[in-house]
Amino acid sequence: EVKMVESGGGLVKPGGSLRLSCAASGFTFSSVWMTWVRQAPGKGLEWVGRIKREIDGGTTDYAAPVKGRFTISRDDSKNTLYLQMSSLKSEDTAVYYCATGMGPGFEIWGQGTMVIVSS
Amino acid sequence: DIVMTQSPDSLAVSLGERATINCKSSQSVLDSSNNKNSLAWYQQKAGQPPQLLIYWASTRESGVPDRFSGSGSGTDFTLTISSLQAEDVAVYYCQQYYTTPFTFGPGTKVDIK
Repeated sequence: EVKMVESGGGLVKPGGSLRLSCAASGFTFSSVWMTWVRQAPGKGLEWVGRIKREIDGGTTDYAAPVKGRFTISRDDSKNTLYLQMSSLKSEDTAVYYCATGMGPGFEIWGQGTMVIVSS
Repeated sequence: DIVMTQSPDSLAVSLGERATINCKSSQSVLDSSNNKNSLAWYQQKAGQPPQLLIYWASTRESGVPDRFSGSGSGTDFTLTISSLQAEDVAVYYCQQYYTTPFTFGPGTKVDIK
């Protein structure tokens, strides 16, 4: 069964840090580019960033609101994607999804993990 | 960044009737390397992650009912639900994957009239 499970969400104070994880199973994790998408409460989807496969350089791209504060990484030996978030702001409050696909578009999504940034 | 807009914000359609959602990109998402439009459509039901419906603007994802169809090219795209079913109540998003950041439209909420 193809599956992705996010974890690591929770309540954090403004300026704090948090690391999210996304554990993948049921497909060859090392062969896909991985993406983080977030959704603020009651709002739409926002692309956060992505990491390419190691064979493609393992490079990352980020959305402007998180660039310099968030870092995406992957551990192919553990089939796990990470999102290290620092200097968190209230506007980072959202459900964070990991997503991927074998081709164009994201056909595999996790269930999401909630991050609340509040004092 | 490519800005995606959608219209309408919401619509209510009777069961069995057609629902049409429009999506516009601020610049063309036509990939000249394969002559395909880098545009996807997603359905998100309440409390669930999004589900991919359409990619390359008009290719239906495996398992998606054929009442869902996508069309358009360049900067203007349409998602059509030919005969609305109760299970289609959801928010629908378009997304361009032509260039990063892979921006989403704001979403269109579809309800039953």
